[in-house]
Amino acid sequence: EIVLTQSPGTLSLSPGERATLSCRASPSIGSSYLAWYQQKPGQAPRLLIYGASNRVTGIPDRFSGSGSETDFTLTISRLEPEDFAVYYCQQYGTSPPYTFGQGTKLEIK
Amino acid sequence: QVQLVESGGGVVQPGRSLRLSCAASGFTFSIYAMHWVRQAPGKGLEWVAFISYDGGNEYYADSVKGRFTISRDNSKNTLYLQMNSLRAEDTAVYFCARDELEMALFDHWGQGTLVTVSS
Repeated sequence: EIVLTQSPGTLSLSPGERATLSCRASPSIGSSYLAWYQQKPGQAPRLLIYGASNRVTGIPDRFSGSGSETDFTLTISRLEPEDFAVYYCQQYGTSPPYTFGQGTKLEIK
Repeated sequence: QVQLVESGGGVVQPGRSLRLSCAASGFTFSIYAMHWVRQAPGKGLEWVAFISYDGGNEYYADSVKGRFTISRDNSKNTLYLQMNSLRAEDTAVYFCARDELEMALFDHWGQGTLVTVSS
């Protein structure tokens, strides 16, 4: 089973600042099959990024993803008020179980 | 537009059963693999089960294997999750999710249905 560890657990920033969220895989995913989801309170998760760096249609370009194998990063270049949420990474394309990271809560400072 | 609407959640006693449904619309349901993903109150996301587009393959998380069964009726555009021998730790919001590439990439999600297992 691939374990995904996200850091930090909580990130406190102000609108306009840059957010950097980390996701580490153990063992290696062996590919770029890593996705990022955003979840707001009371809502379902929403797919933001797939293939480590590909934005879903309609996702603003302030969201970007990078990384491969074991280390992945989600960057939000300039935070908007609607970006404050919980973010999960997830590995896919491998054998089950399909695991998620424990989440990073992005909160307003 | 793609819509997934779960139903069937509620309060159930430990050891009892419950069946969840997920009604799909706005896309050709029969060509997509589907999953159930759950989220315990205040916790993260946990993948539960997968079913291939034609129902020929199923996979389960170890935590539910032997107790839960995923199925689908492509003629009704509906996904199901039969949950037996429910435990307190199964308490969660259950989401159905469409699999974009049959690779467990969840491109659309339902709004979820809450299952509470309590005596």
